[in-house]
Amino acid sequence: EAQVTQNPRYLITVTGKKLTVTCSQNMNHEYMSWYRQDPGLGLRQIYYSMNVEVTDKGDVPEGYKVSRKEKRNFPLILESPSPNQTSLYFCASSFVFKRRGYGEQFFGPGTRLTVL
Amino acid sequence: QKEVEQNSGPLSVPEGAIASLNCTYSDRGSQSFFWYRQYSGKSPELIMSIYSNGDKEDGRFTAQLNKASQYVSLLIRDSQPSDSATYLCAVMFAGGTSYGKLTFGQGTILTVHP
Repeated sequence: EAQVTQNPRYLITVTGKKLTVTCSQNMNHEYMSWYRQDPGLGLRQIYYSMNVEVTDKGDVPEGYKVSRKEKRNFPLILESPSPNQTSLYFCASSFVFKRRGYGEQFFGPGTRLTVL
Repeated sequence: QKEVEQNSGPLSVPEGAIASLNCTYSDRGSQSFFWYRQYSGKSPELIMSIYSNGDKEDGRFTAQLNKASQYVSLLIRDSQPSDSATYLCAVMFAGGTSYGKLTFGQGTILTVHP
């Protein structure tokens, strides 16, 4: 089954304790991205990657790190989480088409993170 | 700052009516346009994508794109209670340092009442 998976789905942690949220896709997509969703603020892009070893900042990258060492995986790293990073996080992936640009993004199920 | 604005909601329509959702965007270089549906607590799911001016129909859904007016819309015909959700407009910007960046509107909550 074609899908984007995220782990963990739920996480409660404390300020300053490093954590990683994993994201994996089995569709051979070039493009992967992380978003956070907060009430009243909508979905905001954190980081994106257009291919292996290529990453770029979205609209809210502060406090986050990413890496893209393999095509299928795109982990999100919070080196020192703070309470303002409490949010619902989504990973997504898509193909890149040479003539049309980027294709439809498929979203993972989400990770609900609480930082105390 | 690239912006995507959606018509303010919530929007309430009776079952069987046409629901009209609108979205404007600020960057004329935008390349790809998407409509997603999101149920509460769930991940967004793609309804429609549109890349060129005009209309694109898929079942009860029609997306309309007008690049000159920087406007994209979604029409839902014969609305059903199961269509009740938040609808998100998303725009992929192209060119310069924004290439590959996807920006979402704030969403419009649609309620279809029996």
